[in-house]
Amino acid sequence: QSALTQPASVSGSPRQSITISCSGSTSDIGAYKYVSWFHQLPGKAPRLIIFDVSDRPSGVSDRFSGSKSGNTASLTISGLLPEDEGLYYCCSYGGGRPLLFGGGTAVTVL
Amino acid sequence: EMQVLESGGGLIQPGGSLRLSCEGSGFVFSAFDMYWVRQAPGKGLETVSQISRNFDRQGTRVYYAESVKGRFIISRDDSNNTLFLQMTSLRVDDTAVYFCVKDLVPYSAMSTTPHVWGPGTAVTVSS
Repeated sequence: QSALTQPASVSGSPRQSITISCSGSTSDIGAYKYVSWFHQLPGKAPRLIIFDVSDRPSGVSDRFSGSKSGNTASLTISGLLPEDEGLYYCCSYGGGRPLLFGGGTAVTVL
Repeated sequence: EMQVLESGGGLIQPGGSLRLSCEGSGFVFSAFDMYWVRQAPGKGLETVSQISRNFDRQGTRVYYAESVKGRFIISRDDSNNTLFLQMTSLRVDDTAVYFCVKDLVPYSAMSTTPHVWGPGTAVTVSS
């Protein structure tokens, strides 16, 4: 069982927007601004797409956006494209513990 | 280009030991906190261990997942830009791809954001 809770799957049609939630607690997501999101394709290493709740590394499309409310963080993908398929993981700083990951959400473009 | 590259994985019997290495390039290795993150077959990501940069007088801070405490040891050799994970008393449920990851921010006070990931090295624990 993962420390952070994500839905197992989310799907959407091309050009639609989808949102993936990541639920934590007052000891991690609720306490810090250090939430990050990763995209993973089959057989590949994860790639950082959002850090510090809502910032994007250079080279990441602005179709990806992040937010946080209370103990829950969210990733929104706008204008869904076929290449957005894959697994998405949230991650949070949790104080004096190893970084916490969610269980992952499989995104399908219908 | 910033890169990290793992080595040392393989097939090992339960109870055995293995040492993973990770060489960093394209960045000032000593300035960054580092992580070992693993992914069991068909499963999600788990931070196995993390190590801070070397704070002059205080050394490094290390953290371990509960499942590996007392069995795994993380260390770093900044003179050779290398991160290590010494794994002992290996169990079947340690079977996974192990990723070496570099943190996002140099000279940070906290380890907060895995940034550059290696391709991973597979560890299989089986008799």
